Amino acid sequence: DGGITQSPKYLFRKEGQNVTLSCEQNLNHDAMYWYRQDPGQGLRLIYYSQIVNDFQKGDIAEGYSVSREKKESFPLTVTSAQKNPTAFYLCASSISSGSASSYEQYFGPGTRLTVT
Amino acid sequence: AQSVTQLGSHVSVSEGALVLLRCNYSSSVPPYLFWYVQYPNQGLQLLLKYTSAATLVKGINGFEAEFKKSETSFHLTKPSAHMSDAAEYFCAVSHRLYGAQKLVFGQGTRLTINP
Repeated sequence: DGGITQSPKYLFRKEGQNVTLSCEQNLNHDAMYWYRQDPGQGLRLIYYSQIVNDFQKGDIAEGYSVSREKKESFPLTVTSAQKNPTAFYLCASSISSGSASSYEQYFGPGTRLTVT
Repeated sequence: AQSVTQLGSHVSVSEGALVLLRCNYSSSVPPYLFWYVQYPNQGLQLLLKYTSAATLVKGINGFEAEFKKSETSFHLTKPSAHMSDAAEYFCAVSHRLYGAQKLVFGQGTRLTINP
């Protein structure tokens, strides 16, 4: 079955440590996205990538970094510079089109990161 | 800039009653609109989407939504609530961005179903 996998489901880290969240998709989608979800705030875009070796900052990129070396993979690193990293992180992908973007995004199951 | 407002962070209905979740959007261009559902500790699943075809859109699990340009609304309804509908619901508007698609989400509405 095609889909998006995120690992691990739960992640615990000490303050000051960098941590990398995994996201893999086998949908053959060009575009991939990372969102952060906090209670009562909906989803906010951290980074997105349209094609391999290219990515753009979203609305809340500070303290995060990404890479896109392969089409199917888009890992997110939460650095020690992120002041409030505890959150639920969701990865998504979509068809990337040069025409009107009515294509929906498909979401992974999420990773809950707790930093103490 | 595009934005979405979901009226009511919590909605509670009885099993079998009408479900109405409200969404208003702001967009300077004709929007694409989406409703997603999220069950606890899971990702988001698409319920339905509006892409400028029919204004009444039918989705999965008996949900539907009507696009009303004059009211800038895209409210989600279901005639008869089921216990399994209890979840959080997100409305989103699409903004094309260099071929990728930037979704702007509302704050979410948590739906509770009373037996």
